[in-house]
Amino acid sequence: NAGVTQTPKFQVLKTGQSMTLQCAQDMNHNSMYWYRQDPGMGLRLIYYSASEGTTDKGEVPNGYNVSRLNKREFSLRLESAAPSQTSVYFCASRGTGDFYGYTFGSGTRLTVV
Amino acid sequence: KNEVEQSPQNLTAQEGEFITINCSYSVGISALHWLQQHPGGGIVSLFMLSSGKKKHGRLIATINIQEKHSSLHITASHPRDSAVYICAADQSGNQFYFGTGTSLTVIP
Repeated sequence: NAGVTQTPKFQVLKTGQSMTLQCAQDMNHNSMYWYRQDPGMGLRLIYYSASEGTTDKGEVPNGYNVSRLNKREFSLRLESAAPSQTSVYFCASRGTGDFYGYTFGSGTRLTVV
Repeated sequence: KNEVEQSPQNLTAQEGEFITINCSYSVGISALHWLQQHPGGGIVSLFMLSSGKKKHGRLIATINIQEKHSSLHITASHPRDSAVYICAADQSGNQFYFGTGTSLTVIP
């Protein structure tokens, strides 16, 4: 099925550990995004990539890095995880044209202890 | 300061009722999005609109650009409509402001 595939679905890290969240889309979308969602707050943009080879910071980029490996894949890396990064992370992609909406991945629930 | 405000935060309705969720925004936008987040966490894009009204099944979304206000209506509500509904203001294609969501519970 066409869509956004995000892995892993759940992860527990110890403070200071690193990990990479993977995201891939098969809809030939140019734009891809990483968001975090915390209780009582709206989705907040961490990083985005408007096209292959470009990345830009969003609202809350500190503590994260990203890579747009190719048009399909956009990964999010936590180099040294902190408890404040406990959150649900969503990858999304977006195409152009008449339907200019989002497609979201299923989310990654990350806990940093 | 929240660029996007939704109301109500929580809403409980009886099956069959007509439901309205409101969204006000303070920034200039190119489009307004409505998203649905199910209890399992998955997020689905429902509508993107820049003017007027759109309809999809029992869902209707309207926007008034001058008043910076959008509404999402659900006709003949059903328990499967229970979800969190999120409004997002699309400022420039990559700059979005999200509301905190309206949690809807429809009781049989």
